[in-house]
Amino acid sequence: DGGITQSPKYLFRKEGQNVTLSCEQNLNHDAMYWYRQDPGQGLRLIYYSQIVNDFQKGDIAEGYSVSREKKESFPLTVTSAQKNPTAFYLCASRMGNGDTQYFGPGTRLTVL
Amino acid sequence: SQQGEEDPQALSIQEGENATMNCSYKTSINNLQWYRQNSGRGLVHLILIRSNEREKHSGRLRVTLDTSKKSSSLLITASRAADTASYFCATVTAVSGKTGKLIFGQGTTLQVKP
Repeated sequence: DGGITQSPKYLFRKEGQNVTLSCEQNLNHDAMYWYRQDPGQGLRLIYYSQIVNDFQKGDIAEGYSVSREKKESFPLTVTSAQKNPTAFYLCASRMGNGDTQYFGPGTRLTVL
Repeated sequence: SQQGEEDPQALSIQEGENATMNCSYKTSINNLQWYRQNSGRGLVHLILIRSNEREKHSGRLRVTLDTSKKSSSLLITASRAADTASYFCATVTAVSGKTGKLIFGQGTTLQVKP
C-alpha cells in the first residue's frame, strides 16, 4: 500500500526530554511537511522540505528540529526548548508541482 | 499565520439535510482546497478550486469561490452520519505556491445526527 506512516501514534514525554517523531512515505514525493494542531485549531506549519538534504522553517519552528537524509523519511525532533509541546503532530507530503498534500495519521504527543 | 477563517465553527444537522461551511481569506490565492479530518486522524483532501474557477463539484460536494469577496463555501448535500468530521479550508498563494505551503483555516466541526 502506498501512503504516509507516522509513529508512534501516542507519545509521552517528560519535561526536559527530547523526542523524535517518525514520518515515512512510499509515494516517491519530493516535498514533505510537519504541522502542529492544537485542540479546536487549524494546522500550523513547523518545518518543510522540498528536496533531500534541504529543509526550511515554517511559521512555528522554534523548539523543533528536522532532518531529511532520505527522500522517504522526514523525522521531527521536539526538543526541550519547546515550551508547550503537547499537541497533535501531522506529517504530509506533496508530489512534484502538485497542489494537494497527503497526510499521515498523526502522532499525539503529551508532556507529563 | 492563519489566512482563512471559517464559519460556523460548529454545525449540527440531521441526516439528509444539507451542510454549508464558509471560508474567508485575506490575500490573493492561486487555489483553495478543502480537507476533511475525522476525530484524531489525519486530513484527507476533498476538492481543489483554482482562482479562475467559480464552482466545482465532486459527488455530493459543491465548492464555490468568490475571489472578489475572498471567500469560498463548501456544500455537502444529503448529509450522512459518516460525514461527521472537521472540515478545513486551505489556501495556496502566489508566494506559498512556490513551496507548496498550505495556509489553513481553523475549521468547521460538523455533526450529522442519524
